[in-house]
This record gives sequence, C-alpha cells and structure tokens, in this order.
Amino acid sequence: AAGVIQSPRHLIKEKRETATLKCYPIPRHDTVYWYQQGPGQDPQFLISFYEKMQSDKGSIPDRFSAQQFSDYHSELNMSSLELGDSALYFCASSPTRGETQYFGPGTRLLVL
Amino acid sequence: SQQGEEDPQALSIQEGENATMNCSYKTSINNLQWYRQNSGRGLVHLILIRSNEREKHSGRLRVTLDTSKKSSSLLITASRAADTASYFCATVRGQAGTALIFGKGTTLSVSS
Repeated sequence: AAGVIQSPRHLIKEKRETATLKCYPIPRHDTVYWYQQGPGQDPQFLISFYEKMQSDKGSIPDRFSAQQFSDYHSELNMSSLELGDSALYFCASSPTRGETQYFGPGTRLLVL
Repeated sequence: SQQGEEDPQALSIQEGENATMNCSYKTSINNLQWYRQNSGRGLVHLILIRSNEREKHSGRLRVTLDTSKKSSSLLITASRAADTASYFCATVRGQAGTALIFGKGTTLSVSS
C-alpha cells in the first residue's frame, strides 16, 4: 500500500539559511499534518491543512510557513534557520479529520 | 509535554513477558491513539480508542481508557525483541481540532 512520502530524507543547512520540506500524502487523503520532534522529545504539532486550507495551527514559529497544493502535496518552508530547528520533521495524512494519522518516514534536518 | 505524562519513561523486560505502559492526559478528548516509533524513524499507528470505549484489542495489544481519570494503558502481551521501540499515546484535542497531542513516550526494551 502507498505510504506518505517525504523529501528530502536528510538535510543539512547553515544558520540563517532556508529549507523546504515536501510531503506527498497517501492518495485520497484530504488532510495533511506537520510535526516536529526534537532529540529525545515527543512530536509537537506544527500545522495542518484540510482540502488545501489551513485547518489547525500549533507551535509553528513565524519563520515557518506551509501550504497544501492542488495535488494535495504540502511544503513546509523554514527561513532564518536556527540551531534549535535541528529535528525530525514528520508529515502525516488522514482520510477523515480526527481519525487515524499515517506518518511519513520524516526529514532529519541538521542546522550547523 | 502539552498533554501529560507517560509512565514508566523506560521499561526493560525479557521476551515472553508482558509490558504495560500508562498515559495520562489533561483535556477532554475525541479519541486516544497509540503509536510506536523505532529509533529515529517514523511513527506507526497501533490502535485507536474512542472516548466512548473502555477497552480495545488488536492482536497482542490491549488498550484501556478511563475518561474519568483521564488515563489510558497499553498492554503488550508475550513481548518479542521486535517490540523494542518507543511508544507514544496521542490524543485528538477536542471536537474542533484535529492535531495529535503526544505524551512523552515510554521506551521499551525487550531482550531475548
């Protein structure tokens, strides 16, 4: 079965650079979520989209923005990167709001 | 954590033994889900229990939910070395939101 695809899987950036993470949800899933997981931490919700509109917002810094496109893929744009942004970034998708979320393998971002 | 605590933080057992992990949460919920995460990898959905359910089974997994105590437990019976992972409970916050709020997780180590 098709799973959530995230790219790139690994990313190394310098402080103050920008990064773009991509997420391709499972086909026919209409909701996409982004989570950040710092080392040894639990995942923290950043933002979600339902039918290409932002539906929920969590602890997403103002330096970050995201959108969902007409083909339902989503991109998380991160600017002015800080050392503390080093983390695993997960995308998840679901077919119905509030139901099971299916997670991608994550993008490991390292900011030097 | 935005949600609460998981207990214990770490658990080491032998193959064949049962493992019980507990989770507490702070707010009213729509449903509660358990996820497994192998070291540094993606989150895998295990089981979902709705707020009007008290117990649910899936293979070697048994989940209970006590909404009056705002707590849940995950029991893994006859554990295997392959069960070694971190286990997180996550709640869907309220009726309007769809984000998962994760607990801090229990790290389970099963030795053969």
